[in-house]
Amino acid sequence: NAGVTQTPKFRVLKTGQSMTLLCAQDMNHEYMYWYRQDPGMGLRLIHYSVGEGTTAKGEVPDGYNVSRLKKQNFLLGLESAAPSQTSVYFCASSRGTDLGTQYFGPGTRLTVL
Amino acid sequence: GEDVEQSLFLSVREGDSSVINCTYTDSSSTYLYWYKQEPGAGLQLLTYIFSNMDMKQDQRLTVLLNKKDKHLSLRIADTQTGDSAIYFCAESRGNTNAGKSTFGDGTTLTVKP
Repeated sequence: NAGVTQTPKFRVLKTGQSMTLLCAQDMNHEYMYWYRQDPGMGLRLIHYSVGEGTTAKGEVPDGYNVSRLKKQNFLLGLESAAPSQTSVYFCASSRGTDLGTQYFGPGTRLTVL
Repeated sequence: GEDVEQSLFLSVREGDSSVINCTYTDSSSTYLYWYKQEPGAGLQLLTYIFSNMDMKQDQRLTVLLNKKDKHLSLRIADTQTGDSAIYFCAESRGNTNAGKSTFGDGTTLTVKP
């Protein structure tokens, strides 16, 4: 039982390049989330999903797209990376029951030059 | 919108008690959580409390909730160097809000030997 895994762990992009971050969970959780963590700003929700085939915008969705084609996977895409997207990205999942405990992946450190 | 606030830094000596404070604004919050983040890792749930509780104790951890003042605290007894980490307070309305949580910016706890 690996929990929540993220791929890749580190990435450096040039401005304008695109990439996809993969999040996978093996706990059969309904809900999944993508956050970014910046110094002094805590965690900010980018997008989330309440089930396979559904996605919704969070607090800071601009510049990102997501897809949840399979229940266990939640993909975060950057179509044209900008230096402002340099951050640590965390994926999380939750059972979807009343107790909304979230389980986090180890993070992806992204640098956009 | 919802807001969760914490002081950014706390420094204590090994063996002392640590108290990390948090305030929140959403009176509909049903669940309140404390997460711990160690360097280079994702957030890990430490403990949680339901909004109809005043206190919860779990080994060295004591959570106090003052619902009237919307104030949450985490007390760590006999603090050890391994407790050095960033501690995040979070609130959620659970399933009624897609399991979304609002996180504070985190309190960096430094434990000096």
